[in-house]
Amino acid sequence: QQPVQSPQAVILREGEDAVINCSSSKALYSVHWYRQKHGEAPVFLMILLKGGEQKGHDKISASFNEKKQQSSLYLTASQLSYSGTYFCGTPSRNNNDMRFGAGTRLTVKP
Amino acid sequence: DVKVTQSSRYLVKRTGEKVFLECVQDMDHENMFWYRQDPGLGLRLIYFSYDVKMKEKGDIPEGYSVSREKKERFSLILESASTNQTSMYLCASSFSSGRAGNEQFFGPGTRLTVL
Repeated sequence: QQPVQSPQAVILREGEDAVINCSSSKALYSVHWYRQKHGEAPVFLMILLKGGEQKGHDKISASFNEKKQQSSLYLTASQLSYSGTYFCGTPSRNNNDMRFGAGTRLTVKP
Repeated sequence: DVKVTQSSRYLVKRTGEKVFLECVQDMDHENMFWYRQDPGLGLRLIYFSYDVKMKEKGDIPEGYSVSREKKERFSLILESASTNQTSMYLCASSFSSGRAGNEQFFGPGTRLTVL
């Protein structure tokens, strides 16, 4: 079952902040975040693990609330290069297959 | 530099044709995946494979089949292409690990148009 992302789209000016949310109806052990720039393949940003460990991008942060089965991605002081579609992904119980959300399209304008 | 390659960037086929999409990875990954990407629907899993000759259905396997004869290669087959299979197809691969899952590396995608 796909996780649910919100908002669907957001438009920012350079330097502004944004939060992208991801929620699941099932218990989560981890949440993955990816970014896809226009015309390119999705690229891994980070993984958040149960227990609070985070691995990944040094300029974008995220949180993971295991009890609420939610994760949020925080983009602070947005740069033009942050534009793209952000996907959260949640692995299944076994075999590492992933279910991705529908994506959040972020546009950063000068 | 890690790499996932797909056989075509753009493909145009006729309704009823058999279509093969190929994906090759050079990272010795155990897991390989095929996704379909449509506007507003995100990345939907069609099939995945966790070992040679092993395959599992994803969320939308109808109308598709897959083949994995070698570890590095994973093929998606549309037995009889239909117009509703017009989409962007993305292949990905990852190492196998525990419950947390691993980073997936994506290919550039194949934009398939079925007329």
